[in-house]
Amino acid sequence: NAGVTQTPKFRILKIGQSMTLQCTQDMNHNYMYWYRQDPGMGLKLIYYSVGAGITDKGEVPNGYNVSRSTTEDFPLRLELAAPSQTSVYFCASSYSALVEAFFGQGTRLTVV
Amino acid sequence: AQSVTQLGSHVSVSEGALVLLRCNYSSSVPPYLFWYVQYPNQGLQLLLKYTTGATLVKGINGFEAEFKKSETSFHLTKPSAHMSDAAEYFCAVDTGFQKLVFGTGTRLLVSP
Repeated sequence: NAGVTQTPKFRILKIGQSMTLQCTQDMNHNYMYWYRQDPGMGLKLIYYSVGAGITDKGEVPNGYNVSRSTTEDFPLRLELAAPSQTSVYFCASSYSALVEAFFGQGTRLTVV
Repeated sequence: AQSVTQLGSHVSVSEGALVLLRCNYSSSVPPYLFWYVQYPNQGLQLLLKYTTGATLVKGINGFEAEFKKSETSFHLTKPSAHMSDAAEYFCAVDTGFQKLVFGTGTRLLVSP
């Protein structure tokens, strides 16, 4: 019963490098989300998806890209890492618009 | 735009004392409201939610919250704090499709 799985758990990037944060869920959920959490702040929505092939921007999408080729996977791509992207990233999924979201354990990213 | 405000970034209580964490919301439509808990280095776990119907909502671990439309509030309470309740608590409002807007969080400290 894995739920929402995020990899890696920790990563240090140099400025200008790129990376992909992986997120997969085994609950057959249609809706998936990426949030970032900065110290002293609540989580902010980066991107979301309501199904395979459908993605849309959230509150803070700049510097990120996503894709949703399957129901299970929702990777988040950072193309040119910047110090401002140092954060903890959470992936979440939900069965429908009326059911609460389940969160992964998070990926702690540091850009130096 | 919908938003939530959590009063108090830190709340300290003694074990056995009443826990009260405050959340006020702003919404032009009937809100769906949530309380999530985050333990250190963990993802978010749903405590309880309000959608429609009964305004007093009971959640896990003995927590409950009351939706008060006249006060635009959704405060979280627990009659008797336990050491294991020490965590960060987030209030959130659903802006549609389970896209959540979070408050800045309240860290609950429980002393023996």
